[in-house]
Amino acid sequence: GEDVEQSLFLSVREGDSSVINCTYTDSSSTYLYWYKQEPGAGLQLLTYIFSNMDMKQDQRLTVLLNKKDKHLSLRIADTQTGDSAIYFCAEMDDSNSGYALNFGKGTSLLVT
Amino acid sequence: SAVISQKPSRDICQRGTSLTIQCQVDSQVTMMFWYRQQPGQSLTLIATANQGSEATYESGFVIDKFPISRPNLTFSTLTVSNMSPEDSSIYLCSSGQGGNTEAFFGQGTRLTVV
Repeated sequence: GEDVEQSLFLSVREGDSSVINCTYTDSSSTYLYWYKQEPGAGLQLLTYIFSNMDMKQDQRLTVLLNKKDKHLSLRIADTQTGDSAIYFCAEMDDSNSGYALNFGKGTSLLVT
Repeated sequence: SAVISQKPSRDICQRGTSLTIQCQVDSQVTMMFWYRQQPGQSLTLIATANQGSEATYESGFVIDKFPISRPNLTFSTLTVSNMSPEDSSIYLCSSGQGGNTEAFFGQGTRLTVV
């Protein structure tokens, strides 16, 4: 299947910005997502971006998409201790996946 | 946004037994999916639950091990059959609407098999 890759760990200081990166291989990806998973909890949809966009901003969150390089990033401004969690990048190719998502392994963000 | 409730939220089961996980969505949805998240791992799609027909399973998952029901547009169940410790995972239900970009998840069912 298609791959979604993320770095496994990121540590930032409270108040700094966090940037979590993701690369994917499916050139037909239609939508790209960021989810947050806190310990013992399910997945919280943070934001998503359509593949014909290159940026989306939602309060402290900024998503950048470089479709040519198949690179997606999530920037969290003014990172707080409550942002400590695992962040999953996911892609959907609605042409053949039946709207199921393909996930990366997750980036564990630690805010100190 | 859709609200998805899963039951049970966690369970500890004996090997060889079966557990049925329920997933309830607060609105009618076209698509429902079941994922597995093994410890420290990402999510892997088990199957797509189709209303009125058999589920569509991904490679490595079979109906005998993971039977799925989808009796209507708001409800689905996943059964983990003849469990072994390797089945210890979080099982998550997800919903989606064809053409709608948002994909929501339940809180997951944390299964431990002893």
